[in-house]
Amino acid sequence: DTEVTQTPKHLVMGMTNKKSLKCEQHMGHRAMYWYKQKAKKPPELMFVYSYEKLSINESVPSRFSPECPNSSLLNLHLHALQPEDSALYLCASSQGDLKGYGYTFGSGTRLTVV
Amino acid sequence: AQSVTQLDSHVSVSEGTPVLLRCNYSSSYSPSLFWYVQHPNKGLQLLLKYTSAATLVKGINGFEAEFKKSETSFHLTKPSAHMSDAAEYFCVVRGGGGGSYIPTFGRGTSLIVHP
Repeated sequence: DTEVTQTPKHLVMGMTNKKSLKCEQHMGHRAMYWYKQKAKKPPELMFVYSYEKLSINESVPSRFSPECPNSSLLNLHLHALQPEDSALYLCASSQGDLKGYGYTFGSGTRLTVV
Repeated sequence: AQSVTQLDSHVSVSEGTPVLLRCNYSSSYSPSLFWYVQHPNKGLQLLLKYTSAATLVKGINGFEAEFKKSETSFHLTKPSAHMSDAAEYFCVVRGGGGGSYIPTFGRGTSLIVHP
């Protein structure tokens, strides 16, 4: 299995809703990432998990809450989002969080906040 | 510190002609360099990477890139474009800033392929 699977593919939520994005990989990768991508822009790093521990939080607002239940799963819990949070949310994994490792990306969740 | 500059926001080629996507980088330490491709409404896919071994790197789908330290460049090439190559391409530098391995993405180059 060489894929990162993200669910759901599309999500529409109101500003008072609570929802979660899910990411799964079975490649034995020990680092997992959440990225946010706006249209026509490069991805922006949100969070890094290394060996199931949060190692980097790029000053992301608390309405985004990551969780890594085990080495194969990564969740992003969403609460009280704003319309400007609408974007493509990408999950990625790598063998380790070292400079020589490239990422395997999922196809993303297209989030629309109304 | 590290940075990456993709010199062209758009590149337009005809099918069957060569592709050149330009990337320059800046780093305080020896970096790793990557090229990713993103097709519309998809995630990013790793095309190739340089990690201080061979300076000419071959990737998937016929793409290759050459690391030139003297020119601080890592340009992506393909001898013959295919319609399916139309996509957004990102050059990425990692590990050039010292202690942190947070990658820096270029702004992206949109490759347009005409029949």
